[in-house]
Amino acid sequence: EVQLVESGGGLVQPGGSLRLSCAASGFPFSPYWMHWVRQGPGEGLVWVSRINSDGSTTTYADSVKGRFTISKDNAKNTLYLQMNSLRVEDTALYYCVRGLGDKQVDNWGQGTLVTVSS
Amino acid sequence: QSALTQPASVSGSPGQSITISCTGTNSDIGAYKYVSWFQQHPGKAPKLILYDVSTRPPGVSNRFSGSKSGNTASLTISGLQTEDEADYYCTSYTGITTLNVFGTGTKVTVL
Repeated sequence: EVQLVESGGGLVQPGGSLRLSCAASGFPFSPYWMHWVRQGPGEGLVWVSRINSDGSTTTYADSVKGRFTISKDNAKNTLYLQMNSLRVEDTALYYCVRGLGDKQVDNWGQGTLVTVSS
Repeated sequence: QSALTQPASVSGSPGQSITISCTGTNSDIGAYKYVSWFQQHPGKAPKLILYDVSTRPPGVSNRFSGSKSGNTASLTISGLQTEDEADYYCTSYTGITTLNVFGTGTKVTVL
């Protein structure tokens, strides 16, 4: 069974940093593209970032470019999202999502909540 | 990349069919056959119900079907059931250098 378990969320002040982790199991992690998607309180889904299978290619939403860094440790079956210079508007539930090929996604974790507030 | 446009809400009675539209541009839905649909119940993670416009993953009811014409994709739920009450999001591939884009979301109510 595919499992994606996010961790690392919490309350942080504006300008602060957090590192989210996503532990993957139940499938061979290395060949898969991986994604982070967020959902603000009562809001819709927004793509945050994407990384290819070997970690050599990354893509970011304009709203997080230069502040967030996605990475993938295939030896540890873990996906990361380093978030710096956090803003109030980054407050959201952050989901780790497995790629379906290189163009779509299928399985989602349960999410980790990030709250940016003073 | 702007969000794809979905109706905010759609409702129907048990047993009826409903259709949710998802309108994009010729840079996303119009350019690719990679449209997916997700179902999200309150407090739960989204669940994939269709990919490649109309392909159902294993275990997804055949009451869910999809289509695409031009810049608009559609999700049809036939034989509406109470458990279908949820939020539904479409998404489209937009190319190798940009992230995929989600729809604005549609709340389905079973009357």
